[in-house]
Amino acid sequence: AQSVTQLGSHVSVSEGALVLLRCNYSSSVPPYLFWYVQYPNQGLQLLLKYTSAATLVKGINGFEAEFKKSETSFHLTKPSAHMSDAAEYFCAVIPKQGGKLIFGQGTELSVKP
Amino acid sequence: EPEVTQTPSHQVTQMGQEVILRCVPISNHLYFYWYRQILGQKVEFLVSFYNNEISEKSEIFDDQFSVERPDGSNFTLKIRSTKLEDSAMYFCASSAVSGGYEQFFGPGTRLTVL
Repeated sequence: AQSVTQLGSHVSVSEGALVLLRCNYSSSVPPYLFWYVQYPNQGLQLLLKYTSAATLVKGINGFEAEFKKSETSFHLTKPSAHMSDAAEYFCAVIPKQGGKLIFGQGTELSVKP
Repeated sequence: EPEVTQTPSHQVTQMGQEVILRCVPISNHLYFYWYRQILGQKVEFLVSFYNNEISEKSEIFDDQFSVERPDGSNFTLKIRSTKLEDSAMYFCASSAVSGGYEQFFGPGTRLTVL
């Protein structure tokens, strides 16, 4: 069965510092991987997606993620954190088109001034 | 830009009452989904719907839940007899038939069962 593990339920960084949010997946078939962001009291917004094209995926707001099959990872990074990046981030996988999204537990990102 | 909409944004109900949560998916999408997020927990899949029938459902989606596409634009989730543990944020999502696998989410309905 497919699953997603996000290491670290809370991550705190200083403004301007590197953001690294970790995601590992288990999948018996080539996965389709996503990062979603949820700002307080809002819905889920897609940050970026991997659908078997380039392994380094660029998303909105300066975020990017690299698909590493050998490590079964899809970590999210941003070179320089901004206060507005404070939110909950969810990694998710879909096994097939039209199938359900399977979410990780989420990582809450705090950005200190 | 097209978006998924949901109404109401917040619903308060008494335990045992029926509630209907409404969603308008993106117009050219054909896959529809409901997810829920209990406060402080991860987002959980409830049900997916394609070609006017349920294509997949989770164990959460028991006989108290039903979904319907009553017309060409709305997609509804009904909970027949609400329980305290149904209190959660409910998200509707939709995706296109082809390309990207991306699911677009609505802003959610916060359901509070008293």
